[in-house]
Amino acid sequence: NAGVTQTPKFQVLKTGQSMTLQCAQDMNHEYMSWYRQDPGMGLRLIHYSVGAGITDQGEVPNGYNVSRSTTEDFPLRLLSAAPSQTSVYFCASSYSGGGGGRGAFFGQGTRLTVV
Amino acid sequence: AQRVTQPEKLLSVFKGAPVELKCNYSYSGSPELFWYVQYSRQRLQLLLRHISRESIKGFTADLNKGETSFHLKKPFAQEEDSAMYYCALKPLSGTYKYIFGTGTRLKVLA
Repeated sequence: NAGVTQTPKFQVLKTGQSMTLQCAQDMNHEYMSWYRQDPGMGLRLIHYSVGAGITDQGEVPNGYNVSRSTTEDFPLRLLSAAPSQTSVYFCASSYSGGGGGRGAFFGQGTRLTVV
Repeated sequence: AQRVTQPEKLLSVFKGAPVELKCNYSYSGSPELFWYVQYSRQRLQLLLRHISRESIKGFTADLNKGETSFHLKKPFAQEEDSAMYYCALKPLSGTYKYIFGTGTRLKVLA
């Protein structure tokens, strides 16, 4: 019963490097999203997807790309890492239905440091 | 604008004391409200949701539509309750986006 799996758990990048954070879920959830967590700012939505082939921007999308080729996977790409992207990143998935929804399920997080 | 406000960044209480973590929301329609908990260096976990009206780990939360609040309460705090707590809102229909508050760190002192 894996739930939402994120890799890697930790990553150090140099400014300008690119990388992809992986996220996979095995619950057949339609909705997936990426958040960043920064002290004093809570969780801010980066990008989200309501199904395979459909993505949209959240609150802080600049510097990040996403794609959703399958229901299970939702990778987040950092195009050219900047120190401002140092953060903890969480992937989440949830059922699409409203009313009695079970809430969002989160991955274990990726702690990213950009030097 | 849709917003979730948690006015306290840090709340410290002694073991056995009552706890109330405040959450106010701004939303024009009918939302679903949730509380999530994050223990040290762990993933966020759903604590409870207003629709189920349940009590988890001794915590309860009542949705007050008049005051647009969803405060989290526990009558007797335990040291293991020390964690980060996030209040979140999701519209009942039309979108799947969750809106999170900035979180309240609860410290339960021995």
